[in-house]
Amino acid sequence: GAVVSQHPSWVICKSGTSVKIECRSLDFQATTMFWYRQFPKQSLMLMATSNEGSKATYEQGVEKDKFLINHASLTLSTLTVTSAHPEDSSFYICSARDLLARGEKLFFGSGTQLSVL
Amino acid sequence: QKEVEQNSGPLSVPEGAIASLNCTYSDRGSQSFFWYRQYSGKSPELIMFIYSNGDKEDGRFTAQLNKASQYVSLLIRDSQPSDSATYLCAVNPGDAGGTSYGKLTFGQGTILTVHP
Repeated sequence: GAVVSQHPSWVICKSGTSVKIECRSLDFQATTMFWYRQFPKQSLMLMATSNEGSKATYEQGVEKDKFLINHASLTLSTLTVTSAHPEDSSFYICSARDLLARGEKLFFGSGTQLSVL
Repeated sequence: QKEVEQNSGPLSVPEGAIASLNCTYSDRGSQSFFWYRQYSGKSPELIMFIYSNGDKEDGRFTAQLNKASQYVSLLIRDSQPSDSATYLCAVNPGDAGGTSYGKLTFGQGTILTVHP
């Protein structure tokens, strides 16, 4: 099946620094990727939809200037958490859509655990 | 606001029993429905997806969809301790291939514990 690679798996950073998370579709082209956030003991919440070659679409309440999304190629989307603060500590997960796939068409990355000190 | 509701549990069943997980959703226009299993600190793993009313079976898992009642369920037969996890119900507004496909709204998850 299709694989989505997400890197890094975990990151610890100081407050005020920026962190970049990568999401790659390894064996298919993903014109659309999605970024989710999951706080402890809560469910996944969609943050934004990443579209190759165009601006990302953010969900209500998500600051676009704080969570920068770049989808410069058909296989790579990046999420940059700028000036991270402890309240940004969360599990970030990307998913990619392969509409040409038979059966399952959505594939999740392995997630990135961000801890901001 | 589009919502997906699940009983957070925990749901505890003995090994070999049937586990029944339920989910309701508010957006009547929803077209695609998913059940994911998530272990702590891990990414969701797709168990089943269903688009049409009725039952869909895959091995020990059966998904049931009733769009009129806005209700979707997952049955796990012959539950095993390895099935212990959080089960997430997710709803998509569009159908497979549609432009909105993939913008999932997740429920809060049901914690399932299968004890030997």
